[in-house]
Parts: sequence; structure tokens; C-alpha cells
Amino acid sequence: DAGVIQSPRHEVTEMGQEVTLRCKPISGHDYLFWYRQTMMRGLELLIYFNNNVPIDDSGMPEDRFSAKMPNASFSTLKIQPSEPRDSAVYFCASSPTRNTEAFFGQGTRLTVV
Amino acid sequence: KNQVEQSPQSLIILEGKNCTLQCNYTVSPFSNLRWYKQDTGRGPVSLTIMTFSENTKSNGRYTATLDADTKQSSLHITASQLSDSASYICVVSALPYGGSQGNLIFGKGTKLSVKP
Repeated sequence: DAGVIQSPRHEVTEMGQEVTLRCKPISGHDYLFWYRQTMMRGLELLIYFNNNVPIDDSGMPEDRFSAKMPNASFSTLKIQPSEPRDSAVYFCASSPTRNTEAFFGQGTRLTVV
Repeated sequence: KNQVEQSPQSLIILEGKNCTLQCNYTVSPFSNLRWYKQDTGRGPVSLTIMTFSENTKSNGRYTATLDADTKQSSLHITASQLSDSASYICVVSALPYGGSQGNLIFGKGTKLSVKP
């Protein structure tokens, strides 16, 4: 397996634009997590899914953020409209169960100007 | 309030030396504690996961300890190598409780630099 695959690796967009980040988890992993990492706040869990169902989205900062998992092999994190303070590295991770090792993707570095 | 505090914030050591990173937490109810290594520009990679009953767990030159009574953990790196230069993140998992699904609480990490 190629591991968790995220795209794009880098995204630069203008304030107000819609941004969609994509993730392909490791096959067979039932859990998928979206994280955001900044220098100020470190890693933060935004939302996680179990068997494609969102379980806890309490980390999603506001309604501008939304995440979907239409099937076991694909998830998206959407920001609409984007703001400069959304600039961060966004990681997707997957794991077989909730409390086992999570495997992270390479991240998407988002810059909103 | 559930919190994870790591120290030091940054550390510089010479290649071949040992070092110890600290993690103190106030997370309840406790499920497990994880140490991750994050190279610059990469995603975190798991080093160890420790449950309540585990005191020590090793992964090569990395040894993690857990004292559930004092709510402290340490990550000891033996005979450091240049490739150990990275951020080390302590993450504590809380059990689902009440209406909560159980959270992962992240430390801000220790940035380790190993110099030749």
C-alpha cells in the first residue's frame, strides 16, 4: 500500500475562494482523521470518520469548514470561503481502529493570500 | 481541562549523545499515550503507543516511559543520530466519557536538533 495519499501537496489561493483538500486512506482502515497544524497551535484534530460516517466534528473551527467521506477510499475537506487565517498544513490520517497507530499523509500546505 | 505539556520546547545536542524529552498531561479518563516523530515537511510517524498498564516501551533507540500515577511520560533517545533531528509530539487519548467521543489531546512538540 502506498500509505495515506493527500492532494494537492501545496495550494495557494486568494481569500474568499473555495479550497478542496483530498485524501485517500490506507485500504482497510476504518478510521479517517483530518488535522490542521500551525506553529502557534500545533496539531489540532478537526474531524474524524468511522466507516465513512462523521463521528466527532467538534474540532472544525467554523461553518466555513466541511468534510465528507463518500466512500471508504476518499475524503475531502472543503473551506468556503477561505481566509488568510486558514493558512496551515492540513494532514489526513487513517487507522484500523480508533486507538491504534494512525498513519499520516504528507500533508497539504495551504496558503491563503 | 485536558492538556498536554511538553518540555523542553527545543533542544540541541551533539551526535552520539543521549537525550530525554518530557510530557506531562492532565487528561481524564486516560486511554493511551503516543509519541510521534515529525520530520520537517512530513507527516508525523508513530514511535510508540502506551496504555495505562505499560511502564516502558522501546522502538530501537527510542524508549518511552509512562507513569500513570504522576501523569508523566518521557521519550529517551540513545546514541543520537543526525536523522533524529525532528519534532517529537506527545499525544494523549481520552476515553469516551459522558457525551464525549473521547479526544486526542496534542502537545506542541519538542524540536530536537542533532549537530555533528
